[in-house]
Amino acid sequence: EDKVVQSPLSLVVHEGDTVTLNCSYEVTNFRSLLWYKQEKKAPTFLFMLTSSGIEKKSGRLSSILDKKELFSILNITATQTGDSAVYLCAVRGSGGSNYKLTFGKGTLLTVNP
Amino acid sequence: GAVVSQHPSWVICKSGTSVKIECRSLDFQATTMFWYRQFPKQSLMLMATSNEGSKATYEQGVEKDKFLINHASLTLSTLTVTSAHPEDSSFYICSAADTEQFFGPGTRLTVL
Repeated sequence: EDKVVQSPLSLVVHEGDTVTLNCSYEVTNFRSLLWYKQEKKAPTFLFMLTSSGIEKKSGRLSSILDKKELFSILNITATQTGDSAVYLCAVRGSGGSNYKLTFGKGTLLTVNP
Repeated sequence: GAVVSQHPSWVICKSGTSVKIECRSLDFQATTMFWYRQFPKQSLMLMATSNEGSKATYEQGVEKDKFLINHASLTLSTLTVTSAHPEDSSFYICSAADTEQFFGPGTRLTVL
């Protein structure tokens, strides 16, 4: 059974801080790892990672994957209060439907002014 | 970008009634749609995978007779919670897949 573990489960920081969120996984025939941001409604897509060592970047957010050690990190620099959300990590393997995702429990990030 | 809608966005119902939730892919055809449930402060739990024109595949522990899924077209899947009980109160989210999964805005169900 595919498994995703995120840490920490929650994190409180001040605006301007840099945070690193962790995601480790076990999956049958890894296809991709995805990061989502969830505020009050459904998750919004951030990144999809398929190859080790290649950083994906979007503004103040960046992410990288290590397929050997089976983990990924999501970095947020110069955090803002609008970054407060639950950040979800999900993996896709080859078992079952081609699109099936297994989610971690998420990291609740709170950015205080 | 791909847009997925859900209707209703929230619903309150009495115990014992049935509730239908619709999931539509607005600008693409989705051969596969997924239904998730999310309890407060918990992650998304996959309930079932819905394929157009065939029976849904349910995850272990999800009662197929209680959560009826119909995927009649490439743009519409429905989830019906039958004989709802208070413990079914949750946030239900669908997603539709073409190259990736795109999530709908979710439906908050409260069963009194």
